[in-house]
Amino acid sequence: EVVLTQSPATLSLSPGERATLSCRASQSVNNIVVWYQQKPGQVPRLLMYTASSRATGIPDRFSGSGYGTDFTLTISSLEPEDFAVYYCQQRKDWPLTFGGGTKVEIK
Amino acid sequence: QVQLVQSGAEVKKPGASVKVSCKASGYTFTSYALHWVRQAPGQRLEWMGWINGDNANTKYSQRFQGRVTIFRDTSASTAYMELSSLRSEDTAVFYCARGGVGATTVLDYWGQGTLVTVSS
Repeated sequence: EVVLTQSPATLSLSPGERATLSCRASQSVNNIVVWYQQKPGQVPRLLMYTASSRATGIPDRFSGSGYGTDFTLTISSLEPEDFAVYYCQQRKDWPLTFGGGTKVEIK
Repeated sequence: QVQLVQSGAEVKKPGASVKVSCKASGYTFTSYALHWVRQAPGQRLEWMGWINGDNANTKYSQRFQGRVTIFRDTSASTAYMELSSLRSEDTAVFYCARGGVGATTVLDYWGQGTLVTVSS
C-alpha cells in the first residue's frame, strides 16, 4: 500500500505567519492527493480534492501543490481558526491511505 | 444540507462484534458511495472500506478483510459497518464519510463519529 509521510509532525507558528506542510508518498500518486483539516473534537473537513484544487467554500489562503511523490499544503497567512491537524490522503491506489498528520499549533 | 448521523457509542468485550449505522439525508442516497474510516487514539485515519452508491458493491482494506462487512438499507438511507472479532486495538472512533460527486474517493462529508471501546 502507499505510505504517506507528513512533516513536520508539529508546526508552531503565530497568527499571520505562513504555514508550509509536507506530504511524501512512498510511490507516485500523480496529483491525486486530498487534504483534510481536523480540529479537536471535530470531524475531518475537506480542504483540497486534488493536489492543487480547493474544495467548495475553502478560503484562498489555502493552496496546494505537487505531483508524483511530494506534495505541499500552504496556508499563506494563518487565521486563528486554522490551528488544527492536517491530514493528506492518496486516492490513486487501493487501499486509500492517510498520512500521520501535521499539527499546526499556536506559538 | 448533507448530513450523516451515526449511531451512539458502544462498549464491547473482546471477541464480540459491533454494528455502527450511518443515516444519510440531504442527498440521493444511492447516487454516492459511503466509506468507513477508523481513527484510533493518537493514530492516523485508517480507511476500512466502502460501498458503492449505484450498485452496492463493496471493497475492503486487506487489513480488515474477513472481519468487516459494509452494507446498506436504501429504504432507510442508512449504511452499516459491522466489525467482528473485536480486540482492544479496535478501540477507536469510527466515521462514515460520503464519496464526492465525480470523485468517489474524496470524502466530502463526514458523520460525527462513533466511539467503540473494546474492553474486558
